[in-house]
Amino acid sequence: AQRVTQPEKLLSVFKGAPVELKCNYSYSGSPELFWYVQYSRQRLQLLLRHISRESIKGFTADLNKGETSFHLKKPFAQEEDSAMYYCALRRDNYGQNFVFGPGTRLSVLP
Amino acid sequence: EPEVTQTPSHQVTQMGQEVILRCVPISNHLYFYWYRQILGQKVEFLVSFYNNEISEKSEIFDDQFSVERPDGSNFTLKIRSTKLEDSAMYFCASRLTGQSEAFFGQGTRLTVV
Repeated sequence: AQRVTQPEKLLSVFKGAPVELKCNYSYSGSPELFWYVQYSRQRLQLLLRHISRESIKGFTADLNKGETSFHLKKPFAQEEDSAMYYCALRRDNYGQNFVFGPGTRLSVLP
Repeated sequence: EPEVTQTPSHQVTQMGQEVILRCVPISNHLYFYWYRQILGQKVEFLVSFYNNEISEKSEIFDDQFSVERPDGSNFTLKIRSTKLEDSAMYFCASRLTGQSEAFFGQGTRLTVV
């Protein structure tokens, strides 16, 4: 069965510091990995997906199949980055549903 | 920008009652989902819907739950005989064919008392 783990429930960093939100997954096939973000009182929004290899709001994430990880990184955190971050997995192109990790609350301190 | 909309934003119901949570997916999307998030826990998949039928469902989605697309725009989740443990945030999502991203609604907070 697919599983997504995010070891940190809460991560606090100071503004300007680098941030890394960890995500590991277990799935034997070829998954698609995503990062969703939920700002206070707002809906879940897609932040990144591994297949597009893009940088959004300064965040990047690289899929490491050997380590089954998809860590989210940003070199200089901003206060507006404070939010809940969810790593999610979707099984190959024919998979229907997303499996979410438990989420990490990122708090960027001034 | 088109959005998935959910109504109501908050629903309070008595244990044993039936509730219907409503969602309007983005108009040209064909894949629909319901997820729930119990307070303090992770977002859990309930069901996916495509071509007017359930395509996948989780263990949570038992006979107490049903989904329907009653017309061309709405996608509903019905919970029969609600229990206290059904209290959660329920999210609807939709996805365009050929795209991997799912767009989420703002959620309905269901409180069973």
